[in-house]
Amino acid sequence: SQELEQSPQSLIVQEGKNLTINCTSSKTLYGLYWYKQKYGEGLIFLMMLQKGGEEKSHEKITAKLDEKKQQSSLHITASQPSHAGIYLCGADIGGATNKLIFGTGTLLAVQP
Amino acid sequence: NAGVTQTPKFQVLKTGQSMTLQCAQDMNHNSMYWYRQDPGMGLRLIYYSASEGTTDKGEVPNGYNVSRLNKREFSLRLESAAPSQTSVYFCASSRKGVSGNTIYFGEGSWLTVV
Repeated sequence: SQELEQSPQSLIVQEGKNLTINCTSSKTLYGLYWYKQKYGEGLIFLMMLQKGGEEKSHEKITAKLDEKKQQSSLHITASQPSHAGIYLCGADIGGATNKLIFGTGTLLAVQP
Repeated sequence: NAGVTQTPKFQVLKTGQSMTLQCAQDMNHNSMYWYRQDPGMGLRLIYYSASEGTTDKGEVPNGYNVSRLNKREFSLRLESAAPSQTSVYFCASSRKGVSGNTIYFGEGSWLTVV
């Protein structure tokens, strides 16, 4: 079992619709990272959250980390075909050991 | 600006063959990582090295060995490849600052074991 659970596993939305992807851990997260990946390509860094309650936005993507630092959500407003891809959350769970793990990923398709 | 460089990019192996995936970073990062990515499984941590001279098991270490040769290089070895090790492998390095980890990934190595 993975220590970071993402939901949903896959998502199909109509262009222009909003969507949310969740990332949940049973342990405290020392840092939470969101990445996007086009199939067959490398990972593109989106955002990093570190403080409980923190929220960051970039263009139409907003990410939040809850107060307990055990759950994060990624929200896309007015989705576009360019948003399609695999979204991965990653977390620093090791503290001093710098252990970085990732969730199972969410495959997003946006229908024009 | 090389960042994280991993080789080879593509490799086909026969079951039982051995090979080493090489990874090097030129950013003076202390920590380095090897992940594998399979469909529906996200990125799974194989091994990591928090600093030069140390290595630790991740989530799926069986069938792999690693060497942190120096601060720059972190190699992943498959001693006897199995079809279950067909995957995309990513190397990463990170620097931990006051604002958290900054993580850099290599471009991936596609490995097929037949």
